[in-house]
Amino acid sequence: GAVVSQHPSWVICKSGTSVKIECRSLDFQATTMFWYRQFPKQSLMLMATSNEGSKATYEQGVEKDKFLINHASLTLSTLTVTSAHPEDSSFYICSAPGLAGDTQYFGPGTRLTVL
Amino acid sequence: GENVEQHPSTLSVQEGDSAVIKCTYSDSASNYFPWYKQELGKRPQLIIDIRSNVGEKKDQRIAVTLNKTAKHFSLHITETQPEDSAVYFCAASIAGGYQKVTFGTGTKLQVIP
Repeated sequence: GAVVSQHPSWVICKSGTSVKIECRSLDFQATTMFWYRQFPKQSLMLMATSNEGSKATYEQGVEKDKFLINHASLTLSTLTVTSAHPEDSSFYICSAPGLAGDTQYFGPGTRLTVL
Repeated sequence: GENVEQHPSTLSVQEGDSAVIKCTYSDSASNYFPWYKQELGKRPQLIIDIRSNVGEKKDQRIAVTLNKTAKHFSLHITETQPEDSAVYFCAASIAGGYQKVTFGTGTKLQVIP
């Protein structure tokens, strides 16, 4: 089956620093990937749609200059949280749709803690 | 855009009883409705999905029903077991077009042994 990996699985950083999270499709190509943020006891909130070879599409209220997305290849998308602050602490999850374009395959998530 | 509402937010059932979670959606263009199970700190796992060309789908103890007219769909878990305890999310999207998925707010299911 389709497998999506994420790295790192957890990260702790100081306020003001930047953190990069990688999302990889291991056995299939993903021209589109999605980035979600999940706060404790809440649902997954879509942040942006990552498109290979073009600019990401951000959801309303998500700062594109703070959450930089780069879809460098057909198997890799990265999310960089710039100038992170404690309120950015969250569980970040990526997903990629399968061949049919509907079923989402999720990465294991990255727990970000900003001190 | 699409809006998905989910009820209840928490549900406690005795082991062996059935659990029902209900969702409504707003966009009539949505035609793909997956259900995910998420354990604490882990990724969502697809447990069942249904497309708008069918009204019901069953997989062992899990079933999903869809009413396109009313724009609502439900998850039914029979003979619940303690390992069914988790948070369940419904979702809606447009199939085949690599469209974004809109999630419901989640239901925390607790199965009491």
